Amino acid sequence: DAGVIQSPRHEVTEMGQEVTLRCKPISGHDYLFWYRQTMMRGLELLIYFNNNVPIDDSGMPEDRFSAKMPNASFSTLKIQPSEPRDSAVYFCATSTGTGDLEQYFGPGTRLTVT
Amino acid sequence: KNEVEQSPQNLTAQEGEFITINCSYSVGISALHWLQQHPGGGIVSLFMLSSGKKKHGRLIATINIQEKHSSLHITASHPRDSAVYICAVGGAQKLVFGQGTRLTINP
Repeated sequence: DAGVIQSPRHEVTEMGQEVTLRCKPISGHDYLFWYRQTMMRGLELLIYFNNNVPIDDSGMPEDRFSAKMPNASFSTLKIQPSEPRDSAVYFCATSTGTGDLEQYFGPGTRLTVT
Repeated sequence: KNEVEQSPQNLTAQEGEFITINCSYSVGISALHWLQQHPGGGIVSLFMLSSGKKKHGRLIATINIQEKHSSLHITASHPRDSAVYICAVGGAQKLVFGQGTRLTINP
């Protein structure tokens, strides 16, 4: 298995632009997580899905952020409009959710908003 | 006060030394995770434990549920162990993360 796949790996955009981050989970993993990592706040959970349904989005910073999981093979995290304070590394992780709760992380997307 | 506290924040040691990183938490948990983040940024899960002790190669993780404390030990440390080690605790699926411990092992 290729593991969790994220794209793009790097994104540089100007303030006000829409940004879409993508994640392909490991096949058979029922849980998908979106995390944000910054120097100031470390790793934070933004939202997670179970069987494509959002379970907890309490970590989503504000209405500019939205996440979808239209099917078991794909999820997106969208920021519209983007702001410089959104600059961070965004990780997607997945797990089977049964017994072993280990999470498998993607390589991350480094977002820079200028 | 953070729900998950790690110490030390930074640790520099010589190759071969025994390393200990500590994690204390204040919330009820189902499991505690130790993660490793290399300079390239990738995150790898090292351990998930809910009681006792686990060992994988030169790495050992312990947890004391009553004291809400976990330790990660590295025996015979090597420069390739240089990374940020992150403790995370959770109930069910949701994780709360510590700030990480930056470990540097000098040859």
